[in-house]
Amino acid sequence: EPEVTQTPSHQVTQMGQEVILRCVPISNHLYFYWYRQILGQKVEFLVSFYNNEISEKSEIFDDQFSVERPDGSNFTLKIRSTKLEDSAMYFCASRAVRGINSPLHFGNGTRLTVT
Amino acid sequence: DQQVKQNSPSLSVQEGRISILNCDYTNSMFDYFLWYKKYPAEGPTFLISISSIKDKNEDGRFTVFLNKSAKHLSLHIVPSQPGDSAVYFCAANISNQFYFGTGTSLTVIP
Repeated sequence: EPEVTQTPSHQVTQMGQEVILRCVPISNHLYFYWYRQILGQKVEFLVSFYNNEISEKSEIFDDQFSVERPDGSNFTLKIRSTKLEDSAMYFCASRAVRGINSPLHFGNGTRLTVT
Repeated sequence: DQQVKQNSPSLSVQEGRISILNCDYTNSMFDYFLWYKKYPAEGPTFLISISSIKDKNEDGRFTVFLNKSAKHLSLHIVPSQPGDSAVYFCAANISNQFYFGTGTSLTVIP
């Protein structure tokens, strides 16, 4: 069964450094998402992406964050200058189409630790 | 802004019995509801969903019930198995956004 893959599985970085989290969505999917889950908290929406542009973003997704689909298969999340509070699990997800009966499919996440 | 709530952080059930996980929501415009299962160190895995025009959807041991008037969603697992032990998230969809509950940790005791 096709799956969403994320790399790396764990990233440790120093505060103020830039990180890029990578995702390969399911190949025939059209909608792409990033979510994060801070330890012990709920899964939070960051951004959705369709047709090579951001379609929606949350308040969390400020100017420090950006997304890109550089080559038609990868979908990346960049955090320009990491803060301690960016430490979380980051999940990439994709969806085939918009509408009902089209669930999100998640990757296994990247655990980001900012020290 | 907690549009989807799971008020029980944990649940323990004996193997073979029924597990009932509950979820409440506030936005009556949600039109699609989902349950996800999550093991440690893995991403959420889609389990079952229901459209807002239905009140029940069944897939093997898993049944999702939707009560729109109460804005309440539940997941029934019967019979429960030890391998069902995981964190279960409910989610609700409107437009292109999904809102997740905080999760219920289910432990099925052999």
